[in-house]
Amino acid sequence: DVKVTQSSRYLVKRTGEKVFLECVQDMDHENMFWYRQDPGLGLRLIYFSYDVKMKEKGDIPEGYSVSREKKERFSLILESASTNQTSMYLCASSGGRGRENEQFFGPGTRLTVL
Amino acid sequence: GENVEQHPSTLSVQEGDSAVIKCTYSDSASNYFPWYKQELGKRPQLIIDIRSNVGEKKDQRIAVTLNKTAKHFSLHITETQPEDSAVYFCAASRGGWNFNKFYFGSGTKLNVKP
Repeated sequence: DVKVTQSSRYLVKRTGEKVFLECVQDMDHENMFWYRQDPGLGLRLIYFSYDVKMKEKGDIPEGYSVSREKKERFSLILESASTNQTSMYLCASSGGRGRENEQFFGPGTRLTVL
Repeated sequence: GENVEQHPSTLSVQEGDSAVIKCTYSDSASNYFPWYKQELGKRPQLIIDIRSNVGEKKDQRIAVTLNKTAKHFSLHITETQPEDSAVYFCAASRGGWNFNKFYFGSGTKLNVKP
């Protein structure tokens, strides 16, 4: 069974702090994604990666960066957290043989920036 | 880029009734359309998907229809049960093996009243 895990379920940070959100998948998937989920806005793509050390901007990359040093791990970085980055952050991965298109989601990290 | 619109934003039905959720998309190159269900406090999970070479797909009580000409697709749930209560997201993608970027709708909160 595919497993996507995220480092924290809940996180509280202060404005201006540097924040790291970690995501790990155990199915050798090539593609990994970071979304934020806000009520009434659905899931919006922040960044994605289709290979180690490769990254592409999604629809709302401003204020975020990412790192993918190993295939199984994809990190989202908030360089200087702001209150408008308070949200639910979901990681996903895809690329499994026979299920290439299906994205598997992690449990989410609810981030509050005070 | 792709734009996916989803309606309604909330839907309340009586147990046993049918529920229909509709989505439209703008990119004629999109060819893969998944539906995700997110129960309260849980991660989104794929419940059904359809590719553009098929007009309809069924899986027990759920079905998806696709009209490529009109660029819209719909989720149909028959004989609804309380456990169907959740937020449902549609998405559109160009599919393919590599970095299948999804564009999600804004979500529909379905409430099935016992």
